[in-house]
Amino acid sequence: DAGVIQSPRHEVTEMGQEVTLRCKPISGHNSLFWYRQTMMRGLELLIYFNNNVPIDDSGMPEDRFSAKMPNASFSTLKIQPSEPRDSAVYFCASSLWGESQPQHFGDGTRLSIL
Amino acid sequence: GNSVTQMEGPVTLSEEAFLTINCTYTATGYPSLFWYVKYPGEGLQLLLKATKADDKGSNKGFEATYRKETTSFHLEKGSVQVSDSAVYFCALSDYPGNTPLVFGKGTRLSVIA
Repeated sequence: DAGVIQSPRHEVTEMGQEVTLRCKPISGHNSLFWYRQTMMRGLELLIYFNNNVPIDDSGMPEDRFSAKMPNASFSTLKIQPSEPRDSAVYFCASSLWGESQPQHFGDGTRLSIL
Repeated sequence: GNSVTQMEGPVTLSEEAFLTINCTYTATGYPSLFWYVKYPGEGLQLLLKATKADDKGSNKGFEATYRKETTSFHLEKGSVQVSDSAVYFCALSDYPGNTPLVFGKGTRLSVIA
């Protein structure tokens, strides 16, 4: 079975440009999570969805960040405009809803903002 | 709020050595506890989990016991192999339901032959 698929794997762009990260969760999973990993702060939750509805976006750093889940098989994380401090590895994860269901992670997108 | 503290790395061990990676947590409720592992070039993978006090999670020779009295979930392996070289993350999620994970900073383990 295919796991969580993220694209692109790597993104290098200049400051001020719009960046869109994509995620395809595992089929049948109804929870989706976006995390960001940095050297300083480690792995942190940005936002998560249950049944395509955003539940908690308190981790989204500022208005430049937005996330959508238009259907059960696709989510995007957008940064506009991007800044050098947004450089990080962004992970998407999905799971079934339920007690202690494990989250399955994608390989991540390594984002570099010059 | 919830938080996870794990020992800082990197940790370097010889093959067949005993491994312990310490993890302690702070939680307002009764969390589920996890160890995730990231091998070079791969995504994060669940290694093991425990959902209640005194539960022992185990997988691939690794073990961790949920200790409520000490709020700990230390990872152990009796004899490490070169293939265990990876970054290990301790994490928790609130009970019940499937809430987001709160991660420790990660511990890089290098095993040399």
